[in-house]
Amino acid sequence: KQEVTQIPAALSVPEGENLVLNCSFTDSAIYNLQWFRQDPGKGLTSLLLIQSSQREQTSGRLNASLDKSSGRSTLYIAASQPGDSATYLCAVESSNTGKLIFGQGTTLQVKP
Amino acid sequence: GAVVSQHPSWVICKSGTSVKIECRSLDFQATTMFWYRQFPKQSLMLMATSNEGSKATYEQGVEKDKFLINHASLTLSTLTVTSAHPEDSSFYICSARGSGEKLFFGSGTQLSVL
Repeated sequence: KQEVTQIPAALSVPEGENLVLNCSFTDSAIYNLQWFRQDPGKGLTSLLLIQSSQREQTSGRLNASLDKSSGRSTLYIAASQPGDSATYLCAVESSNTGKLIFGQGTTLQVKP
Repeated sequence: GAVVSQHPSWVICKSGTSVKIECRSLDFQATTMFWYRQFPKQSLMLMATSNEGSKATYEQGVEKDKFLINHASLTLSTLTVTSAHPEDSSFYICSARGSGEKLFFGSGTQLSVL
């Protein structure tokens, strides 16, 4: 059974810092991995999608890496801003079932 | 990008009543839609997968008679919480997939059962 773990659960940093969010998964049979952003009481916004054959994806100040063999992904946020404050969710899509399994999320607070 | 519209955004109802939540793909045809629920400060838990024109597939532990899912067209799926009770209070989110790989999520529905 696929399990997705995100560390840390919460993170508070001053504005301008670079930071890394971690995601690990137990079953390497994945089709892809996605990082999402969720604001309080809102739905999800897809940030980056990495195919199982890819190693990383970049979008603006965000960079996500994937090491399928070790079951790990990181989301790197450069020059953090208060507007980046949100919960970041990692999810893997199983290549066996097609289901998306989510981690518990990392709640980020960027202080001005 | 693709848009998934979910309504209502929030609903308050009395215990024992039924509540219907709609999920629409506005600019693409969604062959598959997914329904999740999320408790406060927890992650999303998949409830069921619905494919247009066929019965939904429910995850283990999810009561199919309590959470009725209908995916009657390629742009609409509905989740009906029947005889809602306070323990059903939660945040429900739908997502839809078209021909590509990305999943697009609705804005969620906060259900509060008194």
